[in-house]
Amino acid sequence: DARVTQTPRHKVTEMGQEVTMRCQPILGHNTVFWYRQTMMQGLELLAYFRNRAPLDDSGMPKDRFSAEMPDATLATLKIQPSEPRDSAVYFCASGLRTGRNTGELFFGEGSRLTVL
Amino acid sequence: GQQLNQSPQSMFIQEGEDVSMNCTSSSIFNTWLWYKQDPGEGPVLLIALYKAGELTSNGRLTAQFGITRKDSFLNISASIPSDVGIYFCAGLPNYGGSQGNLIFGKGTKLSVKP
Repeated sequence: DARVTQTPRHKVTEMGQEVTMRCQPILGHNTVFWYRQTMMQGLELLAYFRNRAPLDDSGMPKDRFSAEMPDATLATLKIQPSEPRDSAVYFCASGLRTGRNTGELFFGEGSRLTVL
Repeated sequence: GQQLNQSPQSMFIQEGEDVSMNCTSSSIFNTWLWYKQDPGEGPVLLIALYKAGELTSNGRLTAQFGITRKDSFLNISASIPSDVGIYFCAGLPNYGGSQGNLIFGKGTKLSVKP
């Protein structure tokens, strides 16, 4: 049963600490997206990759957030230093983009981050 | 930026009733997707629509891709308690440079009275 896997599921940390979230996309998918979900803003796109290359990270605060894909099976989202306003659920999603772009994305279960 | 207007924002219904929600946009979309999110989980894809006018069912769920390509609706027939959750529409815009980036609605929160 193919699925997107995210770790950790829950993270509580103190302001100023570094946070790293990891995502394993569905095998064979060539695009990876990072979203942040809050009650106020809903789903916000932070960054996405195609074939491991970053295509758009305009939704991400550059001074503290960074996203990478060290290889095709791992995507990371790092926050350093973390702030209370970063508290949210962070979702990773993957998809397959070919000549016929269907747009379908498959989401992980999310990483719930609380910054005290 | 591009936005989708999803309505209603929330609704309470009696078990057994039919439910309808929709999304509209000022721009044309190539694909419409409907997701459901249960508490503490990620959104799960329910239905995908690829052609204007397309009507697709998934069990008690039916969704349609609007003829103008600027809207889509989702119907749930004979609702049951497990239908509770947040339903999101998402669209793939028809403009160059979208890079396959979906646009999401704000969600419709469905609550069912048992």
